[in-house]
Amino acid sequence: DGGITQSPKYLFRKEGQNVTLSCEQNLNHDAMYWYRQDPGQGLRLIYYSQIVNDLQKGDIAEGYSVSREKKESFPLTVTSAQKNPTAFYLCASSMGGGRSTEAFFGQGTRLTVV
Amino acid sequence: RKEVEQDPGPFNVPEGATVAFNCTYSNSASQSFFWYRQDCRKEPKLLMSVYSSGNEDGRFTAQLNRASQYISLLIRDSKLSDSATYLCVVNGRTGNQFYFGTGTSLTVIP
Repeated sequence: DGGITQSPKYLFRKEGQNVTLSCEQNLNHDAMYWYRQDPGQGLRLIYYSQIVNDLQKGDIAEGYSVSREKKESFPLTVTSAQKNPTAFYLCASSMGGGRSTEAFFGQGTRLTVV
Repeated sequence: RKEVEQDPGPFNVPEGATVAFNCTYSNSASQSFFWYRQDCRKEPKLLMSVYSSGNEDGRFTAQLNRASQYISLLIRDSKLSDSATYLCVVNGRTGNQFYFGTGTSLTVIP
């Protein structure tokens, strides 16, 4: 089945540590996105990539980094510079290329800083 | 100004009621429009795309008004299973960015 997979589902991090969230898709989509959602809040864009090796900052990129070395994969690193990293992280993909198609989401990773 | 604005609610309605959500967007060059549903602690899932001519899927009707830059979602004969948060989503001018509203919370009461 085609889809988008995030792992792990739950992640605990100590303050001061970097942590990487995985996102893989087999939908052959060009565009991939990372969002953050806080309780009772909407989705805020962290980073997106329109195509392999393209990286674009979203509204809240500070303290995060991404890479897009392969079409299928778009990992997100939450660095120690991110002041308030506890949140629900959602990865999404779409066809991209200016085509107005919907975004498909992974199941999300719930990150807690302890 | 936010790209997409929604009334957060909450909307609490009895089973069988009709409920409508509205959403406004700021970029007149936006290309495509969607309603997503998000259940508690889950990922958003596409409910329906919104077309200029309006479209219907069972009990759900979506409409787009480009002149006034708003989209709407109408749910008829509400079911308990409709309880969720409904997100208005607009795809930007280039087609490569999605802008999300904060979501409207719906609870259908027995």
